[in-house]
Amino acid sequence: DIQMTQSPSTLSASVGDRVTITCRASQSLSSWLAWYQQKPGKAPKLLISKTSILDSGVPSRFSGTGSGTEFTLTISSLQPDDFATYYCQQYKSYSPTFGQGTKVEIK
Amino acid sequence: EVQLVQSGAEVKKPGESLKISCKAFGYRFTTYWIGWVRQMPGKGLEWMGIIYPGDSDTKYSPSFQGQVTFSADKSNNAAYMQWSSLKASDTAMYYCARLRDGLQPFDSWGQGTLVTVSS
Repeated sequence: DIQMTQSPSTLSASVGDRVTITCRASQSLSSWLAWYQQKPGKAPKLLISKTSILDSGVPSRFSGTGSGTEFTLTISSLQPDDFATYYCQQYKSYSPTFGQGTKVEIK
Repeated sequence: EVQLVQSGAEVKKPGESLKISCKAFGYRFTTYWIGWVRQMPGKGLEWMGIIYPGDSDTKYSPSFQGQVTFSADKSNNAAYMQWSSLKASDTAMYYCARLRDGLQPFDSWGQGTLVTVSS
């Protein structure tokens, strides 16, 4: 299995801050990486696929970069609606695996 | 509008069987894969496996192979996951979600089914 490691596990930030979450893979993924947002008590929501492609309706303050084994999700200006847990997921090979999650909290 | 609607919360005893459902609306059910994801209390997401309703092709994560069984009913636009003998460690939220292809991200999710297994 490909192991996915996110950092940090928790992030405290204020509205308006620029926030970056990192996801590292145990082997090269090419660009086969997705990001999801999950709010408490809700199902996850797809934000980004193939490293950098925003899903329909996702605000442009979200962006994804990277390749190979290191990837980042950036929120350019954190909004109140963005406080949530974020997961990366590799889908280069079966079975796809998720990172352990990064909780973005209010500072 | 694409919607996946899951069956309601379940409370079961260890050793009991269970089948939960995921009903699809708003798209051609037989042309997208449906996957299942486990989230144990306070924990992260785990990819359990997927089923293609068009021909019931299935792919299980090694961690869940033999522990659950996926099925699909094309006439009902529904996918199912079942356990033959539940354990306390099966207590979790289970999500179904749609994928366009076997190796793709999940682009639409059900609301989740909470399964509690307790004596």
